[in-house]
Amino acid sequence: DTGVSQDPRHKITKRGQNVTFRCDPISEHNRLYWYRQTLGQGPEFLTYFQNEAQLEKSRLLSDRFSAERPKGSFSTLEIQRTEQGDSAMYLCASRPRTGALQETQYFGPGTRLLVL
Amino acid sequence: AQTVTQSQPEMSVQEAETVTLSCTYDTSESDYYLFWYKQPPSRQMILVIRQEAYKQQNATENRFSVNFQKAAKSFSLKISDSQLGDAAMYFCAYRSAYLTSGTYKYIFGTGTRLKVLA
Repeated sequence: DTGVSQDPRHKITKRGQNVTFRCDPISEHNRLYWYRQTLGQGPEFLTYFQNEAQLEKSRLLSDRFSAERPKGSFSTLEIQRTEQGDSAMYLCASRPRTGALQETQYFGPGTRLLVL
Repeated sequence: AQTVTQSQPEMSVQEAETVTLSCTYDTSESDYYLFWYKQPPSRQMILVIRQEAYKQQNATENRFSVNFQKAAKSFSLKISDSQLGDAAMYFCAYRSAYLTSGTYKYIFGTGTRLKVLA
């Protein structure tokens, strides 16, 4: 168990460019979440996957945002036509299907996005 | 809608002393979980402690314990024998009852920055 990993850890882009982030959850965790965290705030829910199905999307997730989890393993979050307001830390978390800690989310280190 | 409130943006504690971080929440549900997460300067959040709402006994994990007051909707975290490594942002989080969409809702507070003074 190597934990949740995210790539890249940091991304600087110019306004209007597209960016894609990747999350690799803990193996055999079938539940995966994306959050956005701005400075001084707690994580805000963006979207949720159970296996490959995207079951929940926040109203925060505008049309410029899209997330996938094609084979129920890793997930990608793409932001199209980035805006300066997209600058934030994007966190991924996974959760096991069963077990004593199935209620607990395990977080990755995050991808810090800066839009210039 | 559920809300989580952490009214202390920043707290300080002397090394080896005890500190309590406050968290209140609002919900009409009876089945839920509460969590405290720690986010060190490296920013990877890790679970500190969790509490199931139907359990009256307060959760304890080594130097960390909670005071869960269900009727008052309060969930404070006590850190005993504070260590320099405890310095971090601490987030209180609420997990809802099961939703018809097939998931739970997780809501986080705005965090409390804990400073540990040597």
